Amino acid sequence: EPEVTQTPSHQVTQMGQEVILRCVPISNHLYFYWYRQILGQKVEFLVSFYNNEISEKSEIFDDQFSVERPDGSNFTLKIRSTKLEDSAMYFCASSEVFRLGPNTGELFFGEGSRLTVL
Amino acid sequence: DAKTTQPPSMDCAEGRAANLPCNHSTISGNEYVYWYRQIHSQGPQYIIHGLKNNETNEMASLIITEDRKSSTLILPHATLRDTAVYYCIVRLGGTDKLIFGTGTRLQVFP
Repeated sequence: EPEVTQTPSHQVTQMGQEVILRCVPISNHLYFYWYRQILGQKVEFLVSFYNNEISEKSEIFDDQFSVERPDGSNFTLKIRSTKLEDSAMYFCASSEVFRLGPNTGELFFGEGSRLTVL
Repeated sequence: DAKTTQPPSMDCAEGRAANLPCNHSTISGNEYVYWYRQIHSQGPQYIIHGLKNNETNEMASLIITEDRKSSTLILPHATLRDTAVYYCIVRLGGTDKLIFGTGTRLQVFP
């Protein structure tokens, strides 16, 4: 069964460093997402991406964050200057279709990348 | 904020049906009800979704009340591997995002 893969599984970084989290969505999917989950808290939406541009983003997704699809397979989340509060599990997701309709865009999530900022 | 209310935890005996309730009294006519689950700290896993009719797939059944203000996810024969946090989500119309609440922690015991 096709799946979303994420690397690295765990990254430890120093505060102020740049971090890039990578995701390979399912190959025929067109819509990509990043969510995060701080330990013990809810899963939170960060950003959605379609046709090489951001389609929606949350208040969390400030100027420190950026997303990119550098080639036909990868989808990346960059955090420019990490803060302690960026420590979380980051989940990438993808979907074949979009928004509402008969095929209502089931999201497939990866296993996550755990980011620890020291 | 999440538009759903779920009990924080439930227990279920292995082999029995697990019935997980969800209230979504402010749901709009074009909003779907989605269920996802999260096992340990893994990525959320899609289970089922519906608009107003009851739905069934290989994992579960979804029963939506006629007024659409509440729904129940049914795992017909719970196994230990179904122990997880179950999220009931109303997907906002015309938006990409899923708003996760705190969910129901289902513990299946032998």
